[in-house]
Amino acid sequence: DQQVKQNSPSLSVQEGRISILNCDYTNSMFDYFLWYKKYPAEGPTFLISISSIKDKNEDGRFTVFLNKSAKHLSLHIVPSQPGDSAVYFCAASFSLSGGYNKLIFGAGTRLAVHP
Amino acid sequence: KAGVTQTPRYLIKTRGQQVTLSCSPISGHRSVSWYQQTPGQGLQFLFEYFSETQRNKGNFPGRFSGRQFSNSRSEMNVSTLELGDSALYLCASSQSGGDTGELFFGEGSRLTVL
Repeated sequence: DQQVKQNSPSLSVQEGRISILNCDYTNSMFDYFLWYKKYPAEGPTFLISISSIKDKNEDGRFTVFLNKSAKHLSLHIVPSQPGDSAVYFCAASFSLSGGYNKLIFGAGTRLAVHP
Repeated sequence: KAGVTQTPRYLIKTRGQQVTLSCSPISGHRSVSWYQQTPGQGLQFLFEYFSETQRNKGNFPGRFSGRQFSNSRSEMNVSTLELGDSALYLCASSQSGGDTGELFFGEGSRLTVL
C-alpha cells in the first residue's frame, strides 16, 4: 500500500523553464511533507518542507504547494538549471504515539534539465 | 561536523549468505533509520532506532534486523540473502526523531546479491 505516490518517474525540462514535480498521498493523518533531492552515488539531501497548516512554502527558486483537500503537493523549480538534474523524492510524516515521526517516501521522479 | 558515514560502500554477496552494514550517525544524533532503495520502489522504511531501542519497523521479513549501540552507531543485518535484496541501503540520522522529520542521509551501501 503506497501511501505516497509520485506517478511520473521522469520529467524533462529546458533550462530556464519551470519544473513541476507532483506527489499524491492517501493518509490524511500526514502533517508534514518534505522534498529530498538525490544525485547518483550520494545520499538524499533535504530540499524543502511544508507543514499541513500551510499551503505554500518558498525557498529561493523552490516552492512547495500543498492542497490538503486533494491530498496533493507539488514542487516548483523556477528557473530550472542543469544542476537541478537529480531524482526528487517526496516524503510525508505523521506523529506517532511516543512523539516521534516516521518518514514515508514516494518512488521518486528523475528530473533532467537540458540546455 | 562529519556527516552520516556508512560502511562498506559496495559489497557483493551470493544467495544464502548474510551481510552486516554499519552506520555512524552525525555526532549528537540519537535516532538512526534505515531505508532500502530499489528502482521504481523509492525508499522503503526498514526500521528506526533511538537510544538502543527499535521504535518502529517497516514491512520487511525477519531476515532483516538491526541494532543500535550506546554511542548511537547502528548496524543492520540481512540473513539468508535473496536476489531481491540487491539494493542501496541508506542510513539516516536525526537528533531525536521527534522533530519534523528532517533526516540526514549517508551515501549508502550498495549490496549486490548474485
